[in-house]
Amino acid sequence: DIVMTQSPDSLAVSLGERATINCKSSQSVLYSSNNKNYLAWYQQKPGQPPKLLIYWASTRESGVPDRFSGSGSRTDFTLTISSLQAEDVAVYYCQQYYTTPPVTFGPGTKVDIK
Amino acid sequence: EVQLVESGGGLVQPGGSLRLSCAASGFTFSSYDMHWVRQATGKGLEWVSAIGTAGDPYYPGSVKGRFTISRENAKNSLYLQMNSLRAGDTAVYYCARTRPGDYVWGSYRNYWYFDLWGRGTLVTVSS
Repeated sequence: DIVMTQSPDSLAVSLGERATINCKSSQSVLYSSNNKNYLAWYQQKPGQPPKLLIYWASTRESGVPDRFSGSGSRTDFTLTISSLQAEDVAVYYCQQYYTTPPVTFGPGTKVDIK
Repeated sequence: EVQLVESGGGLVQPGGSLRLSCAASGFTFSSYDMHWVRQATGKGLEWVSAIGTAGDPYYPGSVKGRFTISRENAKNSLYLQMNSLRAGDTAVYYCARTRPGDYVWGSYRNYWYFDLWGRGTLVTVSS
């Protein structure tokens, strides 16, 4: 199974500042036949289900604000919130779907306001 | 409205059984692979099971042999039969949908990222 790790475990960022979350997979999730990275990002606010933010490592889901962006390839990925808003306080998870089953998630990164 | 609504959670003793249901609406249920994902309080997300459009089931080792996923397309419903429950199965169970896959150079690829989630149902295994 592909193991996903995230760093940091938590971070506190001032409103309007940039937040950066890292995700690493134990093996490449880049499928060479279509040159796509099988990596998604989710946001989970307290008491709510997760919400899809990004798929194919960098494609924003419809309706997701453009301050959220994803980057990276193969085994190293980043979710960036360019200008943190109060409503972005949440836990963020990465997930690989290159080798399924099983689906595997990262352990999550908690983002708070400084 | 496109939505998933789970039901059937509750308190059950260790070794007991429970059946979860998920009612889908607002989309063509039969065209999507469907999943159960769970989350223990204060913990991360754990994939529990999946069922393909043809009814093919998939499980991780942690639940294989104890949980059974099924679907009833005529009723737009997904189910999870959970047997031999343990304290470690205590969690909120989410029903979730993934995008349809595609053929890439002749090989079918699942696109198992979750674009729709229910609000979850709580399962507590305790004596």
